[in-house]
Amino acid sequence: LAKTTQPISMDSYEGQEVNITCSHNNIATNDYITWYQQFPSQGPRFIIQGYKTKVTNEVASLFIPADRKSSTLSLPRVSLSDTAVYYCLVGDSGSARQLTFGSGTQLTVLP
Amino acid sequence: DTEVTQTPKHLVMGMTNKKSLKCEQHMGHRAMYWYKQKAKKPPELMFVYSYEKLSINESVPSRFSPECPNSSLLNLHLHALQPEDSALYLCASSQGNRGTNTEAFFGQGTRLTVV
Repeated sequence: LAKTTQPISMDSYEGQEVNITCSHNNIATNDYITWYQQFPSQGPRFIIQGYKTKVTNEVASLFIPADRKSSTLSLPRVSLSDTAVYYCLVGDSGSARQLTFGSGTQLTVLP
Repeated sequence: DTEVTQTPKHLVMGMTNKKSLKCEQHMGHRAMYWYKQKAKKPPELMFVYSYEKLSINESVPSRFSPECPNSSLLNLHLHALQPEDSALYLCASSQGNRGTNTEAFFGQGTRLTVV
């Protein structure tokens, strides 16, 4: 199971773009990279998933370099409601352990 | 329907009680998960069911007993818990097939307090 490393916390201001980087040096060939968002006392919510290069949806973008040893979640123009913990998960979709959470990044958006 | 429904939302139980947590999904997902989450910590995987069979038990104490009666339901039976078992218990589901969308859907959790 690929171990992930993220910054413990980040601060940003409303309207700024936020980039959260995750390191996963021992990512395997079949592994996907998935990001979840969690608010206090709620279950995590899927944000985005990718395998390589760049993925974009209505909420975020995910950048994955060619070696796939890291990934960056990009949140455009954050608002106060984006204050949450963001988790990077790496795993094989066929593995039941692919939903193992690392420590996550607490993002605080300031006014 | 993309919801995972957990009941109850809150539960207070004594150390000698027996209670059950319930989780339900109607998305046709074949993998279902139980997590335990303490304050300011990440969710900790407890059990995984794949096609209604227990595929992972992360060395969870026997006072926690999972059950998957059918593909839509997941229970967690609790007996003789300790105060340190107080936590948010989360249920999740995903398609469970290799190579498919692995987006997992989580319930809102059950806040358990053991007194």
